[in-house]
Amino acid sequence: AQSVTQLDSQVPVFEEAPVELRCNYSSSVSVYLFWYVQYPNQGLQLLLKYLSGSTLVESINGFEAEFNKSQTSFHLRKPSVHISDTAEYFCAVGTGGSQGNLIFGKGTKLSVKP
Amino acid sequence: NAGVMQNPRHLVRRRGQEARLRCSPMKGHSHVYWYRQLPEEGLKFMVYLQKENIIDESGMPKERFSAEFPKEGPSILRIQQVVRGDSAAYFCASSTSGTGINYGYTFGSGTRLTVV
Repeated sequence: AQSVTQLDSQVPVFEEAPVELRCNYSSSVSVYLFWYVQYPNQGLQLLLKYLSGSTLVESINGFEAEFNKSQTSFHLRKPSVHISDTAEYFCAVGTGGSQGNLIFGKGTKLSVKP
Repeated sequence: NAGVMQNPRHLVRRRGQEARLRCSPMKGHSHVYWYRQLPEEGLKFMVYLQKENIIDESGMPKERFSAEFPKEGPSILRIQQVVRGDSAAYFCASSTSGTGINYGYTFGSGTRLTVV
């Protein structure tokens, strides 16, 4: 069975500091990996995804994540955060096929302070 | 091009009442997925539907919960005889095909159900 572990439930950082949100997964088959962001009282927005190819994927707002197969990790990083990055971030894994359901981690609340 | 529309945004029900949650997928999307988010938890898959068909309901509680996606109209998640433990945010996502997982879903803003 697949599972996703987000090791930190809360991450407080100061503005312009770097941040890493950790995500580890377990699966016996090839996976697709996603990061979603949820702002307060809103739905989830896809931040970035790994399907195949280059193990480093980037989003349009400066986040990046690296797929590490040997460590079964997909950590999310940003070199310099902004107040507006304050949100909850969810890592998710799927295996494609026709079932279509994703397995989500419990989320990491990123709090950026001035 | 409107995204995935869910209504109502907030729903309050007394214990024992029925809750109906609606989801209109993005235009051109014929696959709908329902997820539930309990407090301090990630999203949990509930059910995956195509028009007029339930494809995977492995995440649905065995009793009181049902879902449909008729040929016309929105997808409906129905919870009968609600209990306090049903209080959660319910999210709907849609895709153009069953491999929407490959590209990441488009989620709606959710319905926050409170059972009092």
